[in-house]
Amino acid sequence: QVELQQWGAGLLKPSETLSLTCAVYGGSLTGYFWSWIRQPPGKGLEWIGEVSHRGNTNYNPSLKSRVTILVDTSENHFSLKLTSVTSADTAVYYCARGRPQPAYSFIFDYWGQGTLTTVSS
Amino acid sequence: QSVLTQPPSASGTPGQRVTISCSGSTSNIGAHAVNWYQQLPGTAPKLLIYNGNQRPSGVPDRFSGSKSGTSASLAISGLQSADEGDYYCAAWDDGLNVVLFGGGTKLTVL
Repeated sequence: QVELQQWGAGLLKPSETLSLTCAVYGGSLTGYFWSWIRQPPGKGLEWIGEVSHRGNTNYNPSLKSRVTILVDTSENHFSLKLTSVTSADTAVYYCARGRPQPAYSFIFDYWGQGTLTTVSS
Repeated sequence: QSVLTQPPSASGTPGQRVTISCSGSTSNIGAHAVNWYQQLPGTAPKLLIYNGNQRPSGVPDRFSGSKSGTSASLAISGLQSADEGDYYCAAWDDGLNVVLFGGGTKLTVL
């Protein structure tokens, strides 16, 4: 059974960098796409971006200038960095596995438990 | 305002059938598969329906999905109190180059 476990800083100050990691247990990174998705308190879901096991990335254009998603196949985990955070970045951040087929289907079949990151001075 | 439009709320009594709609355009629902996610209170979203009408293993057949043109629907039959939560549709958008989620529909079982 695939399980995603995530961790990272819960409280940041404005202008700092958000850093989260998601470890994959019970499965391999190979053959799938690995996404980060966030949810501001009381609001809906927003896709941040994805990385393949080869390190190919695809980012939400609205966040692209501040986002980096990396994969570490040796550790079987992937990570998210979001620079220059503001209060608008306060959200629960989820990692998720995306199936590779069909193309552009973005089927997120396994999710991490979520990490609340608050940006406040 | 989400590009994929869902009603903010839906409700029904136990045993009833409820339908949640998701309206989009030719660049998203009209061009790609629609997936539905269920988010129960205080938990991470869970894949409910994929490729429009497929159920992952473990999802009961009370849940079904359909798509017509630029709109999709999620139907829940035999409504149960355990179904209370938020439901989101999602699809890739060719114009925006992003995965879009609907604004979510809060389902209440009366």
